[in-house]
Parts: sequence; structure tokens; C-alpha cells
Amino acid sequence: GQNIDQPTEMTATEGAIVQINCTYQTSGFNGLFWYQQHAGEAPTFLSYNVLDGLEEKGRFSSFLSRSKGYSYLLLKELQMKDSASYLCAVLDSNYQLIWGAGTKLIIKP
Amino acid sequence: GAVVSQHPSWVICKSGTSVKIECRSLDFQATTMFWYRQFPKQSLMLMATSNEGSKATYEQGVEKDKFLINHASLTLSTLTVTSAHPEDSSFYICSARDPSTDRFSYEQYFGPGTRLTVT
Repeated sequence: GQNIDQPTEMTATEGAIVQINCTYQTSGFNGLFWYQQHAGEAPTFLSYNVLDGLEEKGRFSSFLSRSKGYSYLLLKELQMKDSASYLCAVLDSNYQLIWGAGTKLIIKP
Repeated sequence: GAVVSQHPSWVICKSGTSVKIECRSLDFQATTMFWYRQFPKQSLMLMATSNEGSKATYEQGVEKDKFLINHASLTLSTLTVTSAHPEDSSFYICSARDPSTDRFSYEQYFGPGTRLTVT
């Protein structure tokens, strides 16, 4: 079956750095997405990785290792507004998005 | 660009009635739209994939006669929850793909969601 694993919840301090991991086992791979979702709102796009390596976009970076079935989202200089759920999703061989359960990130002052 | 709207943003209805939710792509043509349901503190659950001009493809366990999906144009898909019950109360989110997008041709653009409460 298809499976995406990410931690249920993480806590970090304002101004610090946090890394949210995602491992996947899917039938085929056509890219991995990270989305941010605030409570009661729709997800918003953060990043897309299809090749191995690190992609940096401002305070957020996303890393992918296809051979290991592994990705992480790195958030730097954490702000209170970064408190949200972070969803990892993989595009499988049928170009269907397989979603992880999401990681709830709690930022403390 | 790539804006998706949903209407209504929230709705309260009585048990046994039907509710229609609209999903529109405002600045692009969406050949494929997706309908998700999300219960509190849970992740997105794909209900169905809607392709313009053809029947929707429903995920396992989703009753197609209860959740009617119509994708009659390249910019509009509708989800009708028929004979709603309290257990149908949830956050319904649509998304759309813009086939003209270059690198992110399979990125899904999300609508703001519709919160349905069935009393």
C-alpha cells in the first residue's frame, strides 16, 4: 500500500529552527509537495521537490532524497504565525496526490 | 494567478436537506478538480476527482449517490451533499489543477473551504 509518515506534533521556540520529516512509500514518484494549513483554512503551497537536494525559499527550505524515500521541511527564524499544520504529499505514478496526516507545529514564545 | 474560490464559505442546514457547494477557478481553466473532506484535527481525505465533461471518480468508501459532483465547465465544479446528516458535518475543500502551469503542472490550488454543519 501507499504510506506517508510524518510526526503528529512538534513544538519549537520562536526564533529557533525546526525540521519536519516525511518518509514515504508510494507506487511511483512524480514529486513531493509541502503545504501549510492554518486551523480552519485551506492548505497553501510551500514547496515542490522532484529532484534530490535542497531547495531554499526564504525562511523555508525543503529537502528530498528519492533513494531514501525521505523529505524534510526546514523552517528558520520561527515566528508565531508559523504555528500551523504542515502537510507532506507525494504525487504517485498515476499523478494522484497521496497525503500525509500532517504535522501540527506549535511555536512557543 | 491560479485563484480558486468556493461558495458558500459556511452553511448550516437541517438533517435531510441537500446542500450545494460551488468551486470555481477564477483565472485559469481547470480540466481537473478535486473534492476533499477534512474532519477536525485530521488530514485531508480525497473524496473524488472531477474531470470536465465526464463522470467523477470517487474514492473507495465515498457514496457517489450521496455526494453528487458535476463539472460542467472548465471553471466550475459543484458538490451536492444529498440528504445531509449530522455526520456529514465537516470542512469541504476543493482544489484545481492548472494544466498550463509549467513546472508545477500537477500542483493543486485550493479553495478557501466550506464549513458544513448539519443540525
